[in-house]
Amino acid sequence: EAGVAQSPRYKIIEKRQSVAFWCNPISGHATLYWYQQILGQGPKLLIQFQNNGVVDDSQLPKDRFSAERLKGVDSTLKIQPAKLEDSAVYLCASSSLSGPGETEAFFGQGTRLTVV
Amino acid sequence: AQSVTQLGSHVSVSEGALVLLRCNYSSSVPPYLFWYVQYPNQGLQLLLKYTTGATLVKGINGFEAEFKKSETSFHLTKPSAHMSDAAEYFCAAWGYSTLTFGKGTMLLVSP
Repeated sequence: EAGVAQSPRYKIIEKRQSVAFWCNPISGHATLYWYQQILGQGPKLLIQFQNNGVVDDSQLPKDRFSAERLKGVDSTLKIQPAKLEDSAVYLCASSSLSGPGETEAFFGQGTRLTVV
Repeated sequence: AQSVTQLGSHVSVSEGALVLLRCNYSSSVPPYLFWYVQYPNQGLQLLLKYTTGATLVKGINGFEAEFKKSETSFHLTKPSAHMSDAAEYFCAAWGYSTLTFGKGTMLLVSP
């Protein structure tokens, strides 16, 4: 079974530029999560999708971050414009049901973003 | 809102020694609890999880954790550390439709 795929693995941009990350979850997984992991901290949930609908985006900085999952499969996370404090690893995860208590959340390898 | 606290950002042990990584959660409702491991430049891998039933949970690589409701704890242990256990470990709690992580504990294993 293929895992959660993310691209790119690494990205360096200047502040005020825009960037986009892509995630392909495990086939058949209805729930998709985007987490931000700043160095020295645990992952923080940015947004959670159930199929193509948003379940939770309460911690997503909506003035600069956006995410979509149009067909309920792949997802993109965009930052525009980027700030220095956005430097982090962005992790995508998927699970087969509405919560990891019923199953397991599988994580991709992440995209490491550096904003200079 | 729930929170997860991991005591100690770094824990150092010798190879063959007991590993103990501490995790406490704060929630008005007992959550589902998880331990994940992260190796350098890798994603998160599930070690074990507690949902319901037996409070002592066994996971991969010889790790286990015990859910103690009275102490709101879910500490991770391994009887004998191996060099390959060196990694960062995250405790997480699922509740209120959100998976909340602790800040992580880096496990260092010396020969």
